[in-house]
Amino acid sequence: EAGVAQSPRYKIIEKRQSVAFWCNPISGHATLYWYQQILGQGPKLLIQFQNNGVVDDSQLPKDRFSAERLKGVDSTLKIQPAKLEDSAVYLCASSFYIAGEGYNEQFFGPGTRLTVL
Amino acid sequence: QQQVKQSPQSLIVQKGGISIINCAYENTAFDYFPWYQQFPGKGPALLIAIRPDVSEKKEGRFTISFNKSAKQFSLHIMDSQPGDSATYFCAASKGSSNTGKLIFGQGTTLQVKP
Repeated sequence: EAGVAQSPRYKIIEKRQSVAFWCNPISGHATLYWYQQILGQGPKLLIQFQNNGVVDDSQLPKDRFSAERLKGVDSTLKIQPAKLEDSAVYLCASSFYIAGEGYNEQFFGPGTRLTVL
Repeated sequence: QQQVKQSPQSLIVQKGGISIINCAYENTAFDYFPWYQQFPGKGPALLIAIRPDVSEKKEGRFTISFNKSAKQFSLHIMDSQPGDSATYFCAASKGSSNTGKLIFGQGTTLQVKP
């Protein structure tokens, strides 16, 4: 089974520029997540999609971050304009609901390391 | 109420020793507690998970101990190996829903010396 794919793996931009990240989840996974992982910290959820609808975007800085999941499969996360504090690894994860198990295992991609200069 | 506090921040263990990482949570609505392992340049990968209806779960050399009354859970790695050197994250969620989001701890960097 192929894992969660992300691109690019690395990106360096100047502050105030824009950047976009792409994620292709595991086939059949209805739920897709974008996390921000700042160096030395645990991942923090930015946005969660169920199919192509947003379930939770309470921690997404909506003045500069946007995300979409067209057709309930691939997703893109955009930052415009970027700030120095956006330097982090952006992780995409996907999951399927295991009925009767009562939990929701998430599978993570390798991440995109963003450096904002 | 949404925090998960993890300790220690870093840990050095000799090969063959026991590694112990602790986590504490506040939200009693959490009902799913996974541990993730992350190697440099990789995304986190699920290692083992527990629900609060059991006090312990073991998978190979990895054991989760869960104390519901104290709102604490820990990861024990028996017979630690150099290949276990990685960053470990505990997490918690309201896992009974298929939309439950994970709240991660701050991470523990484990180094196992040969």
